[in-house]
Amino acid sequence: NAGVTQTPKFQVLKTGQSMTLQCAQDMNHEYMSWYRQDPGMGLRLIHYSVGAGITDQGEVPNGYNVSRSTTEDFPLRLLSAAPSQTSVYFCASTPGASGANVLTFGAGSRLTVL
Amino acid sequence: DQQVKQNSPSLSVQEGRISILNCDYTNSMFDYFLWYKKYPAEGPTFLISISSIKDKNEDGRFTVFLNKSAKHLSLHIVPSQPGDSAVYFCAASLNTGTASKLTFGTGTRLQVTL
Repeated sequence: NAGVTQTPKFQVLKTGQSMTLQCAQDMNHEYMSWYRQDPGMGLRLIHYSVGAGITDQGEVPNGYNVSRSTTEDFPLRLLSAAPSQTSVYFCASTPGASGANVLTFGAGSRLTVL
Repeated sequence: DQQVKQNSPSLSVQEGRISILNCDYTNSMFDYFLWYKKYPAEGPTFLISISSIKDKNEDGRFTVFLNKSAKHLSLHIVPSQPGDSAVYFCAASLNTGTASKLTFGTGTRLQVTL
């Protein structure tokens, strides 16, 4: 049982380039989300999805797009990367939207934008 | 506006002693509080949680205390072990009707020394 799988683990981009961070889970979880971790800022919610076809914005959504065409996959797209998007990105999933449900996190994707 | 605060960036404790990690919050509508533990180059993993209607939850060496009047929670680890050395994030859940959103603190790095 792989849990939450993120690819790539590391990526270097130039300003203005686009890329997609992939996230897949094999636990049949309805709820998926993307966080970024920055020094001194903790984990901040970027976008989340409560099921296939349904997405919503989190705390820091600007510069990022998401879609949820299947239960398993929740890719995060950077259309025009900026140095401010240099961060470690974590995808997470949970069975449902209740606060009592525990998030399972992926191992993270470290992105550097030059 | 930091709704969840961990004011101690780091903590050093001797093996066998008690570790106490603190967390303060501002929003009285949070309904669940969770602690996550993070090792370098890994995603956060769930440690323990508490409902806002409780004041204590215990799981082995880990106990979380909630003081709603003070809007304060703490994580006690007794006895501390070297393997507990990690970054600990406090998180609070807010039910928005369609989903529960987690707000994370900035983390406390715990080092357990021999």
